[in-house]
Amino acid sequence: EAGVTQFPSHSVIEKGQTVTLRCDPISGHDNLYWYRRVMGKEIKFLLHFVKESKQDESGMPNNRFLAERTGGTYSTLKVQPAELEDSGVYFCASSLTGRLANTGELFFGEGSRLTVL
Amino acid sequence: RKEVEQDPGPFNVPEGATVAFNCTYSNSGSSQSFFWYRQDCRKEPKLLMSVYSSGNEDGRFTAQLNRASQYISLLIRDSKLSDSATYLCVSLSGGYNKLIFGAGTRLAVHP
Repeated sequence: EAGVTQFPSHSVIEKGQTVTLRCDPISGHDNLYWYRRVMGKEIKFLLHFVKESKQDESGMPNNRFLAERTGGTYSTLKVQPAELEDSGVYFCASSLTGRLANTGELFFGEGSRLTVL
Repeated sequence: RKEVEQDPGPFNVPEGATVAFNCTYSNSGSSQSFFWYRQDCRKEPKLLMSVYSSGNEDGRFTAQLNRASQYISLLIRDSKLSDSATYLCVSLSGGYNKLIFGAGTRLAVHP
């Protein structure tokens, strides 16, 4: 069974440009999450989708970030315009249930590494 | 103050050694849940084990939670080369949908 897949694995762009990251969750997982790790910091929550609806977007840094999940399948995270501090690794994760207290298990993709020059 | 704090390491240990990591947390509710994740270099984090107040063991790995002192520990016995990785201490937010990660503790096991 395919795991969570993310594309691209690495993107290098200049400040002010736009980048769109894509995530395909595990088939059947209604819950999809975006997290990111900036250099030297911990992995931080960005937002949580249940199917196509945003359940929690409290971690989104600002309005330069736009996440979508049309149709409740794959998701995209667009950064426009990108700033230097947006550099980091963007992880997507999915789970069957949104109540993580039982197992705490999220299935992560390998991440999309974004470098903004 | 960060919600979850860990010693970044690295911990350099020989094969066969026993190594322990601690993690402290803040802003806890009595029902807050905790986990250890493992992340290999340039790979995704993967759940290693949950942490229960009564302590729990999975093979060579033992996790403990001390709510009174607000710390979590992970003990690895008989270290293997394949245990080399970053170990992430994770708490689950009160809303039960958001994982809060520590920055990770790096372990390097050498021959």
